[in-house]
Amino acid sequence: QSALTQPASVSGSPGQSITISCTGTSSDVGGYNYVSWYQQHPGKAPKLIIYDVSNRPSGLSNRFSGSKSGNTASLTISGLQAEDEANYFCSSFTSGSTVVFGGGTKLTVL
Amino acid sequence: QVQLVHSGAEVKKPGASVKVSCKASDYTFTNNYITWVRQAPGHGLEWMGWINAYNGDTNYAQKLQGRVTMTTATSTTTAYMELRNLISDDTAVYSCTRGLNYFDPWGQGTLVTVSS
Repeated sequence: QSALTQPASVSGSPGQSITISCTGTSSDVGGYNYVSWYQQHPGKAPKLIIYDVSNRPSGLSNRFSGSKSGNTASLTISGLQAEDEANYFCSSFTSGSTVVFGGGTKLTVL
Repeated sequence: QVQLVHSGAEVKKPGASVKVSCKASDYTFTNNYITWVRQAPGHGLEWMGWINAYNGDTNYAQKLQGRVTMTTATSTTTAYMELRNLISDDTAVYSCTRGLNYFDPWGQGTLVTVSS
């Protein structure tokens, strides 16, 4: 199972919005509404920020939103803040009841 | 607050085995799956497999088949992941997390270093 494709890096200024894409196939992203996103600060454990394509865990800022079109899922962060600087990973459930992760995207807040 | 607490760091020689534990607390252990994920230094996340904490069913990543075994001890709400015939590429932080298709929370992970 190949990893999902994410851009290696994205950047934005405080207050701006950015979008991170996550491209898979019809056997994973396109076939299931089970895409999730994780934020990981250096040296820390990943934190769930979006599940089932577009749902936010309780208490998470509504600046984070998720969507999907075909085989590509997207994470949008609006009103960028310095604390959003981190690595972001997507994942998808796949056929065979396995899971595949994206390679990760480093977000830099300028 | 749901927590997953991992065992301590390990250093192993190539060819050896390692068994990492992950103690869960503050949720009904047998109502959930435990998924294991590893992250090599400077790399992304790699899904290793899951175990159904209720009935012990497992599903492993194809590349690890034959080398990995995941188990649970319901009496102590602890999950275990054993990896055998270690190679240098197995050097990584090994983490358990709760869930099947999305994962929350994550433990701090266990660093396993494979070095001669």
